[in-house]
Amino acid sequence: AQSVTQPDIHITVSEGASLELRCNYSYGATPYLFWYVQSPGQGLQLLLKYFSGDTLVQGIKGFEAEFKRSQSSFNLRKPSVHWSDAAEYFCAVVNTGTASKLTFGTGTRLQVTL
Amino acid sequence: DTGVSQDPRHKITKRGQNVTFRCDPISEHNRLYWYRQTLGQGPEFLTYFQNEAQLEKSRLLSDRFSAERPKGSFSTLEIQRTEQGDSAMYLCASGQPEYSGTSGSNEQFFGPGTRLTVL
Repeated sequence: AQSVTQPDIHITVSEGASLELRCNYSYGATPYLFWYVQSPGQGLQLLLKYFSGDTLVQGIKGFEAEFKRSQSSFNLRKPSVHWSDAAEYFCAVVNTGTASKLTFGTGTRLQVTL
Repeated sequence: DTGVSQDPRHKITKRGQNVTFRCDPISEHNRLYWYRQTLGQGPEFLTYFQNEAQLEKSRLLSDRFSAERPKGSFSTLEIQRTEQGDSAMYLCASGQPEYSGTSGSNEQFFGPGTRLTVL
C-alpha cells in the first residue's frame, strides 16, 4: 500500500527566508503527487501537483516542488516566505485504482517569524 | 461560489446521539469523497462515490457510519450513536473522472469541512 512520510512535524522560518518541506512516498508505480495547504479551521487548498513530464512543477503562491524518483521524494520549496504562508502543509499520493483516493502524510506545521 | 460546500461547519453533540453532515460537490464532478482528519494528523479516506454508487469504503468506516449520494449530486454522512472518538474534522472532496483525460484528472477539490465535537 502507498504511504507518505513528512519527517518534519514543525518548522519555523523567518519572513523572507527560503523554505523546503520534505516529503517521501512509497508507491510501486509512477505516483501522482500533490501538496495541499490548510489554514486553521479551513479545508485543504491545492498548491501544486505532479502527474508526469517535467519533474519541477510550479504551483500557486510562488511554491514549487521537485519530483525525484531516485529518492522517492517530492519536496516543496519557496524562495522567500511571507508571514501569510504560516499554515499546515500536507503531501499526498493518489491511488490510481478505481477510487483514486488520496493518502496523506501527517503534515508539517509552518511558523513564520517576523 | 462554485466550490465544494459542507453543512454544518461545526457540530457539538452528546455521546450516543446521531449526527448527519451534508456535502454539495462541484456540480460537474461525478466523484465524491469523504475523509476524516483528527488533530495533528493528515486526512484519512473514509469512502468514495462515483455518481450515486458507493464504490469503496475504508475499514475506518464502522457500521455506525453510513453515507449516501442518492441522486449523484449531494452526499450525506451519518454517524449513529456517536462516541468521543468520533470527534474530528470531516472533509468532503469532489473530482472529475480519471478517464476524463484532462490535466485535472485525479485532482480533488475540498470543502471547508465539518468539525464534530462529541461530549
